[in-house]
Amino acid sequence: QQPVQSPQAVILREGEDAVINCSSSKALYSVHWYRQKHGEAPVFLMILLKGGEQKGHDKISASFNEKKQQSSLYLTASQLSYSGTYFCGTEYGDDKIIFGKGTRLHILP
Amino acid sequence: GAGVSQTPSNKVTEKGKYVELRCDPISGHTALYWYRQSLGQGPEFLIYFQGTGAADDSGLPNDRFFAVRPEGSVSTLKIQRTERGDSAVYLCASSQTSGRGNEQFFGPGTRLTVL
Repeated sequence: QQPVQSPQAVILREGEDAVINCSSSKALYSVHWYRQKHGEAPVFLMILLKGGEQKGHDKISASFNEKKQQSSLYLTASQLSYSGTYFCGTEYGDDKIIFGKGTRLHILP
Repeated sequence: GAGVSQTPSNKVTEKGKYVELRCDPISGHTALYWYRQSLGQGPEFLIYFQGTGAADDSGLPNDRFFAVRPEGSVSTLKIQRTERGDSAVYLCASSQTSGRGNEQFFGPGTRLTVL
């Protein structure tokens, strides 16, 4: 049930865009996105719910395709502070989140 | 307005010993979650509490692991007869309540090293 994230890692130059994908083999109730910097706790970015509701930071955008059981996180005009590991977490109606293995994002100046 | 706190921040123990890891959630948050994170991996769900009761403990790897939350606030994760494979960062998170759409706030974690 662990979601699959792609790519595993990406290197960008500051100002470039990136898309991180998350897919599940099972019907999703919600998708959660977090960012974790080395040695720190994961920090909430966004929740996407079945039915279209979203909660999150204004500067982050994401999509949730319920039919395909996929979510994508869009990082536009990347900044150095965006560096870190991005985790998607999937929830299947049982109130617990199963996290993927993460996508490591490195932004070069 | 403090966030989630966890103590100790680091714990080094010997194989076979007993350890307790503490989590103090954000005040007023009724849901509390424990995760384990190994190097290069995402957080792995262990158990979650809604109030004082364990709503789902399906992620606990075996009966050496146990967690309590007797008054619905602070929680303690207890590991008996520790093994080297238990070495990891143990993360705690809390949310206002359980259920979909609730943001989880993570603590800084306890790094457990079993020698």
